[in-house]
Amino acid sequence: DIQMTQSPSTLSASVGDRVTITCRASQSISSWLAWYQQKPGKAPKFLIYKASSLESGVPSRFSGSGSGTEFTLTISSLQPDDFATYYCQQYNSSPLTFGQGTKVEIK
Amino acid sequence: EVQLVQSGAEVKKSGESLKISCKGSGYTFTNYWIGWVRQMPGKGLEWVGIIYPGDSDTRYSPSFQGQVTISADKSIRTAYLQWSSLKVSDTAMYYCARLSYGDPSWFDPWGQGTLVTVSS
Repeated sequence: DIQMTQSPSTLSASVGDRVTITCRASQSISSWLAWYQQKPGKAPKFLIYKASSLESGVPSRFSGSGSGTEFTLTISSLQPDDFATYYCQQYNSSPLTFGQGTKVEIK
Repeated sequence: EVQLVQSGAEVKKSGESLKISCKGSGYTFTNYWIGWVRQMPGKGLEWVGIIYPGDSDTRYSPSFQGQVTISADKSIRTAYLQWSSLKVSDTAMYYCARLSYGDPSWFDPWGQGTLVTVSS
């Protein structure tokens, strides 16, 4: 199985900050990576596919980059609605695997 | 609008059986894989398995193989996740979600989740 490791586990930030979350794969997954946002008590929401392609309707302050084994999710200017937990997911091969999540909390 | 609607919360005892459901609408149900994802209390997301309703091809995560059964009834556009003998450790939120572009790909959209609580 491909292991996905996110860092940090928790991130404290203020509105307007630039925030970066890292996701590392245990082996190369090319660009087959997705990102999700989950708020408490809600289902995950899909944000980004193929490492850097933004889903329609997702604000442009979100961006993704990377390939191979190292990937990042960046929020250019954190908004109040962005405080949530973020997960990466590889879809290079089955079983599909997720990172353990990064909680973005208010500083 | 593509939508997945799951059955309601369940409270069960250890050893009991359970089947939860996920009904799809707004798209051709038989053309997309449907998956199940577990989220234990305060924890992350774990892929359970997927089914292709068109031919019932089913694939399980090795962690869940033999522990659960995934099925689908295409006549009523519904996928299922079932247990024959629940354990306390099965307590979790279970989400269904559609694979966007075949297996493997990403999950979108997601159902609202079904909370399963198992007591001893």
